[in-house]
Order: sequence, then structure tokens, then C-alpha cells
Amino acid sequence: EIVMTQSPATLSVSPGERATLSCRASQTVSSKLAWYQQKPGQAPRLLIYGASTRATGIPARFSGSGSGTEFTLTITSLQSEDFAVYYCQQYNDWPPWTFGEGSKVEIK
Amino acid sequence: QVRLVQSGAEVEKPGASVRVSCEASGDSFTYYALHWVRLAPGQRPEWMGWINPDNGFTKYSQKFQDRVTITRDTSASTIFMELRGLRAEDTAMYYCARDRGRIIMFGGATGAFDVWGQGTMIAVSS
Repeated sequence: EIVMTQSPATLSVSPGERATLSCRASQTVSSKLAWYQQKPGQAPRLLIYGASTRATGIPARFSGSGSGTEFTLTITSLQSEDFAVYYCQQYNDWPPWTFGEGSKVEIK
Repeated sequence: QVRLVQSGAEVEKPGASVRVSCEASGDSFTYYALHWVRLAPGQRPEWMGWINPDNGFTKYSQKFQDRVTITRDTSASTIFMELRGLRAEDTAMYYCARDRGRIIMFGGATGAFDVWGQGTMIAVSS
């Protein structure tokens, strides 16, 4: 089973600033990496798949990069609605498809 | 616009079974794999299994293999997840989610989830 590790656990950012989240896989997942956003009381929402492709309706301030075992989600100019928990997920090797433990982006 | 609507919250005793439903609307029910993912408090999300709504093929995570069954009712555009032998650590929010790739294009599920149900809270307590 591939273990996904995210960092940092919590990131404090001021509105308008950039947030950079990291995700590492215990073995290569090629580019089969997705990012999800979850707000309190809501279901997760797909932001990025294929490591760098934005899902339908996702603003351009969200971008993903990386391949193999190291991945990054960048949110430029954070908006109030972006404060949430972000999960990475690999879908290269299954079963099971596995998630990271999440990174919380909070208001500084 | 596809929507997934799940059944309501349940409270169960240890050892019991629970069955959660997920009704799909707005798109062809048989085109996309449907998954179950759970999120327990303070834990990372866990993928439990998926079903091909067209032919009923299923695949489960080894962790849940012995206790979970996913089925479908194509006439109702609904899938079901039954979890047996409930224990306290099964207390979680359970989500159904649609695979982002059409089965016919990818030969099965891709493993990325682009539409989610609203979640069903299952609490296990004596």
C-alpha cells in the first residue's frame, strides 16, 4: 500500500498571500495524483487530477505540479473561501487508492 | 449536472450492520464507476471499494474486504454499501463518489473522484 505524507499539517496564511502544500508518496505514483479541498460540513471537492490538471470550474489560482513521488499544490492570492483542509490522493496503484492525512490552511 | 444523494445518518450498536444508499441523478447511471470513501474524525480518508453500475463488478480494499458489500439497483439509479460487524472505530462520515472517467474509456475506474454525495454519518456506540 502506498503511503501518502502531506506537509505542513497546518499552514497559517494571510488573505492575498500564496500557500504551498506538499505531498510525498512512499513509491512512485507517476502523475496519478489528485488534490481535494474539504470545508467543514461539506464533502471533499476535486481540485486537481493528473498532478496538474484543474478539474471543471476550479479557479486558475489553484495549480498542481510534480511527478513520481513529490507533488505540490499552490494557491496564489488566497481568498477567504480557500481556507480549508486539502488532501492529496494517489490513484496509480490499487487496491487501495490512498490519501494523505491532510493539510489545513488557516487564516493568519 | 450529476448529483449523488445519500441516505440519512444512522446510529448502530457494535456488531450490527448498516446499509447506506446513494442515488445518482443527472447523468447516465451506468457510465461511471461509483466508489465509497469514509472519513473518520482525525483520520485520513479511506477508500473502501467501487462498483461498476453497468455489470455489478466490485472491488474492495483489503481492509474492508470481509465486512463490506457494495450493490446496485439500476432501475433506481442507486448503489448501496453494507458494512457488517460494526465497531466503534467505524464511526465516520461515509461518502459515495463518482469516478471522473467513463468506464468505457478507461476500462474501469480511474480512481479520482469528481462528484461526491453529501455524506452519511454512521455512529457506532453501545
